[in-house]
Amino acid sequence: NAGVTQTPKFRILKIGQSMTLQCTQDMNHNYMYWYRQDPGMGLKLIYYSVGAGITDKGEVPNGYNVSRSTTEDFPLRLELAAPSQTSVYFCAIEQYPGEKLFFGSGTQLSVL
Amino acid sequence: KQEVTQIPAALSVPEGENLVLNCSFTDSAIYNLQWFRQDPGKGLTSLLLIQSSQREQTSGRLNASLDKSSGRSTLYIAASQPGDSATYLCAVKKGAQKLVFGQGTRLTINP
Repeated sequence: NAGVTQTPKFRILKIGQSMTLQCTQDMNHNYMYWYRQDPGMGLKLIYYSVGAGITDKGEVPNGYNVSRSTTEDFPLRLELAAPSQTSVYFCAIEQYPGEKLFFGSGTQLSVL
Repeated sequence: KQEVTQIPAALSVPEGENLVLNCSFTDSAIYNLQWFRQDPGKGLTSLLLIQSSQREQTSGRLNASLDKSSGRSTLYIAASQPGDSATYLCAVKKGAQKLVFGQGTRLTINP
């Protein structure tokens, strides 16, 4: 039971490149979230999903896209990478609202 | 707009001391409050979850309290150990999906 698995752990992108951050869970939780954490700051919500086929924007969605075709996977897509997207990205899951969140170990992304 | 503040940003104490970390929030209409621990280069681990109807939760040497009317929560750590060194974040849930995080308190326990 791995919980929440994020890949890759580290990535360096050039401005304008695109990439997909992967998030996979084996806990069969309904709710999945993508957060970003900038140095010395709290986490900010990018996108979330309440179940397969359903996604919605969070606080800072610009420059990102998501999809949720299965319960297990919730990939985050960056289409045209910008230096402002340099951050650590965390995927989190929750069975129902009001329960504990479980986090992946994060992806550290640098856009140069 | 809900804002969550954690003061101090960093705290250093000798091993064995009891300590309190503070979290304040501006909107008392919350769903719940969670305290998380974050180790360097790692994800967040949920330590304690307090529902809006509860006043406190305990787990081992940790005790978290919630006072919605004053917009405050505290995390009490008893008999601190070097292994408690980490960043502690509180997060307030307002609405089903929206979780607002504080900036965290970086705690160092000196042997």
